[in-house]
Amino acid sequence: AQKITQTQPGMFVQEKEAVTLDCTYDTSDQSYGLFWYKQPSSGEMIFLIYQGSYDEQNATEGRYSLNFQKARKSANLVISASQLGDSAMYFCAMREQETSGSRLTFGEGTQLTVNP
Amino acid sequence: GAGVSQSPRYKVAKRGQDVALRCDPISGHVSLFWYQQALGQGPEFLTYFQNEAQLDKSGLPSDRFFAERPEGSVSTLKIQRTQQEDSAVYLCASSFGSRTGELFFGEGSRLTVL
Repeated sequence: AQKITQTQPGMFVQEKEAVTLDCTYDTSDQSYGLFWYKQPSSGEMIFLIYQGSYDEQNATEGRYSLNFQKARKSANLVISASQLGDSAMYFCAMREQETSGSRLTFGEGTQLTVNP
Repeated sequence: GAGVSQSPRYKVAKRGQDVALRCDPISGHVSLFWYQQALGQGPEFLTYFQNEAQLDKSGLPSDRFFAERPEGSVSTLKIQRTQQEDSAVYLCASSFGSRTGELFFGEGSRLTVL
């Protein structure tokens, strides 16, 4: 079974609008972490935001916020006021307590295109 | 530099050749990971080091893949007798064990096997 599911292969948004990228996850661990990474065409994975399973507040980092719904096992990324530079591939990832080190399991990604 | 450095950025190999991909992690980062990313997909875990110890190599797809980190800093991923299905971007990441445990990635080495 997929541990991380991103159901949107591609998303389009107008510049300055907000967009939500979906992510659902599957784990039996009580303690886990959820991450979002951005991968521009250059290839480097850029860390955006983190949510711990015990964190009571939804994580926010500038224009990025994570809509964490634990009972639904979803961790959607919200980007507000989209910019042209936000066009990239976005990956949701999870770290489970029982996996070695800080190993992350990634979803298949969502390609975001921001239109002028 | 301050980030994770990988070389070569691009490698073209003929089927059957051996290749070596290098990763220079962020100074002081104890943990080092290798991932394989096929075109249009998310990264897949290959192996993990804590200092010089390889603690998990469960993601290595075959015994043609070998990784080492002899002095706990620079790591090399070696692929012997390359096959076309080995064509992918190989990403290296390091981590210093923060509470969040985020990984810092290099730009990757794109391997094309002809």
